[in-house]
Amino acid sequence: DAGVIQSPRHEVTEMGQEVTLRCKPISGHDYLFWYRQTMMRGLELLIYFNNNVPIDDSGMPEDRFSAKMPNASFSTLKIQPSEPRDSAVYFCASSLGGLTEQFFGPGTRLTVL
Amino acid sequence: EDQVTQSPEALRLQEGESSSLNCSYTVSGLRGLFWYRQDPGKGPEFLFTLYSAGEEKEKERLKATLTKKESFLHITAPKPEDSATYLCAVRRFNDYKLSFGAGTTVTVRA
Repeated sequence: DAGVIQSPRHEVTEMGQEVTLRCKPISGHDYLFWYRQTMMRGLELLIYFNNNVPIDDSGMPEDRFSAKMPNASFSTLKIQPSEPRDSAVYFCASSLGGLTEQFFGPGTRLTVL
Repeated sequence: EDQVTQSPEALRLQEGESSSLNCSYTVSGLRGLFWYRQDPGKGPEFLFTLYSAGEEKEKERLKATLTKKESFLHITAPKPEDSATYLCAVRRFNDYKLSFGAGTTVTVRA
């Protein structure tokens, strides 16, 4: 099993640019979660999907953030425009059923200059 | 609002020196307490789920326990490869979100 796959692993961009992070969940999993991890705030849930439908986006910090899941094997998190305070590690996780353990991807380290 | 507090923030151990990590929580209707391990530059790796007070789970040198207000992760005779950040998370009833603590960074010296 390949596990959760995220790309890119590292992203460096300039303030104001659009950033798109990608995630492929574990095959067969029906829940997908996007998290952000910073030293100051730890690991925070941004949004989660069930069967490709967004269920709770209350953790999305601003309208600059958006997430989509066009099919069961792909999701994107987009930041437009990006700001230096968006610098963090972004994780995608998936689970089979919402009440079981979540499996995390390796993360995308985003640096906004 | 759910609160998860982990202590200590950092723990330095000698190889073979057993110790415990604490995770205290305030959540309305606990529906699972989770322990994860995170190595530098990697995503959290699932260790255990505990559902009810009195429950215990073990994996190699790790044992997790749960009471109504806190959970402990006991590390018995740790080895350098047990060095990592250990994260605790809670899920409330009728919700699929996990609320994470800040973690305890464990360093085991040979």
